[in-house]
Amino acid sequence: AQSVTQLGSHVSVSEGALVLLRCNYSSSVPPYLFWYVQYPNQGLQLLLKYTSAATLVKGINGFEAEFKKSETSFHLTKPSAHMSDAAEYFCAVSEGPNFGNEKLTFGTGTRLTIIP
Amino acid sequence: GAGVSQSPSNKVTEKGKDVELRCDPISGHTALYWYRQRLGQGLEFLIYFQGNSAPDKSGLPSDRFSAERTGESVSTLTIQRTQQEDSAVYLCASSPRTSGYNEQFFGPGTRLTVL
Repeated sequence: AQSVTQLGSHVSVSEGALVLLRCNYSSSVPPYLFWYVQYPNQGLQLLLKYTSAATLVKGINGFEAEFKKSETSFHLTKPSAHMSDAAEYFCAVSEGPNFGNEKLTFGTGTRLTIIP
Repeated sequence: GAGVSQSPSNKVTEKGKDVELRCDPISGHTALYWYRQRLGQGLEFLIYFQGNSAPDKSGLPSDRFSAERTGESVSTLTIQRTQQEDSAVYLCASSPRTSGYNEQFFGPGTRLTVL
């Protein structure tokens, strides 16, 4: 069984400040990990993914995340927040392609607000 | 359009009525997923189709929920005798099926409101 915990349902940061969104996972097999972003009234968009290669993963829009097995974490960061980053962010885990169904198990999401 | 499309975008229905939601996957994508997003919660997996294989229905919350897909084409999710707790955004995703990791591409969702 797999699960994802996102700490903080709402995070507010000032424009230009560091963004840190936390994600911890639980998985009985080596996980595949993802961050998705959902802008208002839009579908989910993949920000970045960890698929057992490099532990530091870079994604779109300047975001990156680091897989830390010892901490079962996959926190999302961005050095300098931009107003356009305001959205809801979801962390997700899957068992990967070797187990057939690659269904995603999502966290409850973190709404990011950028303060001008 | 090359993306996943869903219809209708919004559906308001009365408790007890049946509803049918449609998903058009990206052409050539053999895998198709349905998820549900209830207010304030993350997405929940509902059902998975892969080509002509038997679907994985392990996420369907009750026997009022069913889904069909013919081959690698359109899928429909049917909810019978809708209840207020069925109110949610229903998201469809499709992916290719290669030997490696397969990204899921999400549609815009159908917002279902049960009065």
